[in-house]
Amino acid sequence: DSGVTQTPKHLITATGQRVTLRCSPRSGDLSVYWYQQSLDQGLQFLIQYYNGEERAKGNILERFSAQQFPDLHSELNLSSLELGDSALYFCASSVDKNYGYTFGSGTRLTVV
Amino acid sequence: EDQVTQSPEALRLQEGESSSLNCSYTVSGLRGLFWYRQDPGKGPEFLFTLYSAGEEKEKERLKATLTKKESFLHITAPKPEDSATYLCAVQALSQGNLIFGKGTKLSVKP
Repeated sequence: DSGVTQTPKHLITATGQRVTLRCSPRSGDLSVYWYQQSLDQGLQFLIQYYNGEERAKGNILERFSAQQFPDLHSELNLSSLELGDSALYFCASSVDKNYGYTFGSGTRLTVV
Repeated sequence: EDQVTQSPEALRLQEGESSSLNCSYTVSGLRGLFWYRQDPGKGPEFLFTLYSAGEEKEKERLKATLTKKESFLHITAPKPEDSATYLCAVQALSQGNLIFGKGTKLSVKP
């Protein structure tokens, strides 16, 4: 157990739907990062939050959004889902940007 | 543009056959280079962080080294349990996020 908790582990939904992925960071970690991993693209950075504020954006689609709450847990919202959004979504946390990440076990999203 | 390229994409070894994985990078000011191990369907597991050229770190059968343009992950006398995908990532001075390569899938046969 890495200390980073992601729920749900698996999610199957239909095209056009909206889902929410949840992440609880490791105790004491203020930064949360979201990554998407597909077979052909590898790990792609989506977005970073630090202590409740958005810090950096990567290749995140406009249909996707995220937030970090006062208790530091984070949610990634994916809407108007397409088949191509099927992937593993990972959350990682760190104390701050000077340290490496600890990853959660991921949420496998399948869009049918 | 910051970029990480890993080679080979896949590597098959016999148990005990030592080898090296390569990670070439371009980054506008390196804060750190990271190696992770990822098992199928699981999250990446942290192995090493290297900060400056010439630095080396070891853990069991793994040894990571860093130059100004690349990093190597040396695997000495591998065992079947070392089979996994090994990911390299860089962190630029100006950013907090890690930029990952696509990984090297290692298979070690008994």
